Amino acid sequence: RKEVEQDPGPFNVPEGATVAFNCTYSNSASQSFFWYRQDCRKEPKLLMSVYSSGNEDGRFTAQLNRASQYISLLIRDSKLSDSATYLCAVNKGGSNYKLTFGKGTLLTVNP
Amino acid sequence: DAGITQSPRHKVTETGTPVTLRCHQTENHRYMYWYRQDPGHGLRLIHYSYGVKDTDKGEVSDGYSVSRSKTEDFLLTLESATSSQTSVYFCAIMGGTEAFFGQGTRLTVV
Repeated sequence: RKEVEQDPGPFNVPEGATVAFNCTYSNSASQSFFWYRQDCRKEPKLLMSVYSSGNEDGRFTAQLNRASQYISLLIRDSKLSDSATYLCAVNKGGSNYKLTFGKGTLLTVNP
Repeated sequence: DAGITQSPRHKVTETGTPVTLRCHQTENHRYMYWYRQDPGHGLRLIHYSYGVKDTDKGEVSDGYSVSRSKTEDFLLTLESATSSQTSVYFCAIMGGTEAFFGQGTRLTVV
């Protein structure tokens, strides 16, 4: 089983739709979780961290389920500008910080 | 934006030649990383550093070496470039538990 697995996508949704991405991780000792956004031919940029209690930033909600070892990202009222690749990332923590990424899910929001 | 720059941004090189990519940070962060990104594989860790002269391998380290002689610079070397090393290379620094990326280097090995 890969360390981090994501919905392969691609996702094509109309403007205004709600879309959800899931990501599973294999190491139960993982400590930190993140969602990154990557625009075409650009570097990944942190979208939001994911906390055990869940967290929300405007139209974006991230959740963590430690028991089932997955994280999710919900985008409500999607905009054309949300079109990008979304990558989940997991940090195993411990003495050395290493971020392991999922392969990413391409989202296209259509007018 | 995090102070992290990569050079060169684009490079075309011939098979068998050595290539060095540079990552420079102005944030004084301890942890630095080199990833490669390829279609169908996502971001894969090549090597990382947790301090000056302290480095370790990632999941795809074969054919690559790194050096970190000072906090601000992390160098990635392809000793003898192969076509399979054609990729986009990203350097990252870890600020707290969050990673910040450089703009990437597009390397083509012909």
